[in-house]
Amino acid sequence: KNEVEQSPQNLTAQEGEFITINCSYSVGISALHWLQQHPGGGIVSLFMLSSGKKKHGRLIATINIQEKHSSLHITASHPRDSAVYICAVSRGDGQNFVFGPGTRLSVLP
Amino acid sequence: NAGVTQTPKFRVLKTGQSMTLLCAQDMNHEYMYWYRQDPGMGLRLIHYSVGEGTTAKGEVPDGYNVSRLKKQNFLLGLESAAPSQTSVYFCASSYERDLAQFFGPGTRLTVL
Repeated sequence: KNEVEQSPQNLTAQEGEFITINCSYSVGISALHWLQQHPGGGIVSLFMLSSGKKKHGRLIATINIQEKHSSLHITASHPRDSAVYICAVSRGDGQNFVFGPGTRLSVLP
Repeated sequence: NAGVTQTPKFRVLKTGQSMTLLCAQDMNHEYMYWYRQDPGMGLRLIHYSVGEGTTAKGEVPDGYNVSRLKKQNFLLGLESAAPSQTSVYFCASSYERDLAQFFGPGTRLTVL
């Protein structure tokens, strides 16, 4: 069993839809990270969170430490949101990041 | 600021050839990382460095060597390339281990 899992693996949505991507992990963490990989390949960090919720524009990330689960929500989705979204955890014990396999999102106009 | 840069962007090698990938960052980050990304798999850590002059093995270090002679540069070497090393390679850096990482644009390497 992978330490970080994501669902769904692939997601197709219509423009304007509310989107949720899930991440679950099985190890103790100090923080959870959401990253976005553009179709051209570039990777950017979206959020780093260790509790509660963070919001940036139309993106919202939540985490439930007790349930070892995080969600990334996109409101009013747009074709430019099409990308691979990657969940990663930092374990805070001298270990390096563990990355999930990614969720490929396609938003159709 | 350029952030994290990688050279080259693309490269095709023949089996047995050698090459070096260069990563440079201008954010004065202590930590630097080399990852590979293969279809259907998450990013996998090859080697990393926690400061100038230090390197350490990651999850998939075999067939690769690294050096960090200057704080801003992290080099990844392939001494004798194999087709299994065909992949996209990403360099990243961070101020501290658990903080957000900044990624380079990637190098697409094909080994024939």
